[in-house]
Amino acid sequence: DTEVTQTPKHLVMGMTNKKSLKCEQHMGHRAMYWYKQKAKKPPELMFVYSYEKLSINESVPSRFSPECPNSSLLNLHLHALQPEDSALYLCASSQDLKRVSTDTQYFGPGTRLTVL
Amino acid sequence: AQTVTQSQPEMSVQEAETVTLSCTYDTSESNYYLFWYKQPPSRQMILVIRQEAYKQQNATENRFSVNFQKAAKSFSLKISDSQLGDTAMYFCAFMTGYGGSQGNLIFGKGTKLSVKP
Repeated sequence: DTEVTQTPKHLVMGMTNKKSLKCEQHMGHRAMYWYKQKAKKPPELMFVYSYEKLSINESVPSRFSPECPNSSLLNLHLHALQPEDSALYLCASSQDLKRVSTDTQYFGPGTRLTVL
Repeated sequence: AQTVTQSQPEMSVQEAETVTLSCTYDTSESNYYLFWYKQPPSRQMILVIRQEAYKQQNATENRFSVNFQKAAKSFSLKISDSQLGDTAMYFCAFMTGYGGSQGNLIFGKGTKLSVKP
C-alpha cells in the first residue's frame, strides 16, 4: 500500500483566514514533504520532515507553518495568505532520508488552494 | 548544481502505439537516482519508474521502460501499447545518492502527453 491521503481536496480562503492542510500516511515512512505546484509547472519543495523534525525549509514565508505531530501526520498551517499563494499543495512521504538507496517519494492527491 | 531538462513540452500518440519521452540531466555525481512520475488531470503524482545510476540494466514496469544512457546523461521513457489512461503530464526527476540530499527531488518542466483514440 503506497497511499498518502490529504484533506481537504479543495480549500477557498480569504487573506485574513487561518486554515490547515492535513496529510497522513500509514506506510511507516519517516520522511514527509510539502510541495507547492503552480499550474503547468513542476512541484517546488517547501518543507521536509525527517523523524518528525524539520529537516529542510526552502525559504518559505512564515505565513506557511508546518507541523509534524507524529510519524504519520503532517500539517500545513496557513495564515494571512496572498492570492499568489493559490496553488496545488502536495504532500509526499518516503521511507527514510538516511537510506537513500530505497528512498522513493510517494505523493498524495493534493489540496487545491484558492486565496481570495 | 543538478539540472533536469525535458525538451518536449507536449506530445501526442495514437492509442496502442509506442511513444518515447526525452529527459536529460546534468550532474557531476556518480551515485544518483532517476524517476519518472506521471500526473493525470486528477492531479495525483504517481511514480512510474525508478532507475539507480549504478545499475546498467534499464528499469521496466509493465508497459513502461527506460533507456538509461549514463555517459550521455540521458533517461528517456518508452510507453508501449499506449492507453487513454496514459494521458498525463510526465515529469522526469533526479535525486542525489549522497546522504546530504535530504530527499530533494529535482524535477524537469514536464511533458504533456495526450493519447488519442
